[in-house]
Amino acid sequence: QKEVEQNSGPLSVPEGAIASLNCTYSDRGSQSFFWYRQYSGKSPELIMFIYSNGDKEDGRFTAQLNKASQYVSLLIRDSQPSDSATYLCAVNFSDRGSTLGRLYFGRGTQLTVWP
Amino acid sequence: KAGVTQTPRYLIKTRGQQVTLSCSPISGHRSVSWYQQTPGQGLQFLFEYFSETQRNKGNFPGRFSGRQFSNSRSEMNVSTLELGDSALYLCASSFSGGTHEQYFGPGTRLTVT
Repeated sequence: QKEVEQNSGPLSVPEGAIASLNCTYSDRGSQSFFWYRQYSGKSPELIMFIYSNGDKEDGRFTAQLNKASQYVSLLIRDSQPSDSATYLCAVNFSDRGSTLGRLYFGRGTQLTVWP
Repeated sequence: KAGVTQTPRYLIKTRGQQVTLSCSPISGHRSVSWYQQTPGQGLQFLFEYFSETQRNKGNFPGRFSGRQFSNSRSEMNVSTLELGDSALYLCASSFSGGTHEQYFGPGTRLTVT
């Protein structure tokens, strides 16, 4: 059974703080991981993706993978009120190079950044 | 570069009718995936198309179908609509599919009455 689990929150942090979001997945062999941000009434927006070969930093966002514990995290530094949204974790359980493009999504974590 | 476009953006249908949704991927992208998003089930995978072929299919009944054209544009069709089909239908575009990143369109909000 392929599962992606997220804490639904809500997670509330003050402006300027670090927001930490976590996601666990069921298959140790998973190769690709994605973080999407979804504002209310909008579609998901891809903000970070990493493969099994390492962590990634992009501006205020850092995605980290812990393969042994089967979780992936998203850190948002210097959080802003505009970061308030639902963050969706998605996993492709296929091997790297597979043609199977199916993503499994967690239910999302609602983040609120207060001024 | 233009993003993924979906039409129509909003749709109201009655039970028993059928509906066709359209998706145009990012230029140069050849893979299109479809997802259904509901408050109760979250985001669930419907199917993926690549080079006009369905490459992958989720656990939805046969009332849900799709196709892809030679220009990579894709359509999905839902026949004999049920109230439970009310959802946000999202199309995702990827360069070649597989494990590569997917970019979502704005979605089509379908309401079945």
